[in-house]
Amino acid sequence: AQSVTQLDSQVPVFEEAPVELRCNYSSSVSVYLFWYVQYPNQGLQLLLKYLSGSTLVKGINGFEAEFNKSQTSFHLRKPSVHISDTAEYFCAVSDQGGSNYKLTFGKGTLLTVNP
Amino acid sequence: DTGVSQDPRHKITKRGQNVTFRCDPISEHNRLYWYRQTLGQGPEFLTYFQNEAQLEKSRLLSDRFSAERPKGSFSTLEIQRTEQGDSAMYLCASSLDLLLAGGAYSYNEQFFGPGTRLTVL
Repeated sequence: AQSVTQLDSQVPVFEEAPVELRCNYSSSVSVYLFWYVQYPNQGLQLLLKYLSGSTLVKGINGFEAEFNKSQTSFHLRKPSVHISDTAEYFCAVSDQGGSNYKLTFGKGTLLTVNP
Repeated sequence: DTGVSQDPRHKITKRGQNVTFRCDPISEHNRLYWYRQTLGQGPEFLTYFQNEAQLEKSRLLSDRFSAERPKGSFSTLEIQRTEQGDSAMYLCASSLDLLLAGGAYSYNEQFFGPGTRLTVL
């Protein structure tokens, strides 16, 4: 079984400040890692993913994340946020060796960017 | 490519009624997933289809829930005798997964629809 813990349910920041959203996971098998963003009344959009290779992954909208296997973490970062980044962010994992690739999500972190 | 669509976007029903939701995946995507998202939680996996075959169901999917994907295209999710605890956002996602030599499937991104928000009064 897999689980994902997003350590902060809400993160308020000011515009142009850096931000880090934290994610830890637990799994007995190797996993793929993902960050999704959900804007109000919309579905989920993939921000970035780690499948293999370099542990620093760059995604859309200036976001990046770093996979740390020893700490089982996959924290999301952005050096300078905009008002438009206000949204709910979900960390998710999927079993690498499985055939179904179903996603297990964390509870989400609400990022609020204030002017 | 018009993306994944879901219908209706909102559904309000009374406890005990049956409801049915529809998901139209991206054309030619062979996999289709259903997730449920309750308030303040992340989405939870319900079931998935490989073409028309339903290959896995979560224990969250009680016997009041049934999903179909006839002909491997659109899918429907029906909830019978709705309960207030069924109130949630129901999300559909699709992906194109390729069968590799050896029988494994390659990973490909799941594209999500906008969801159907169900309110049971």
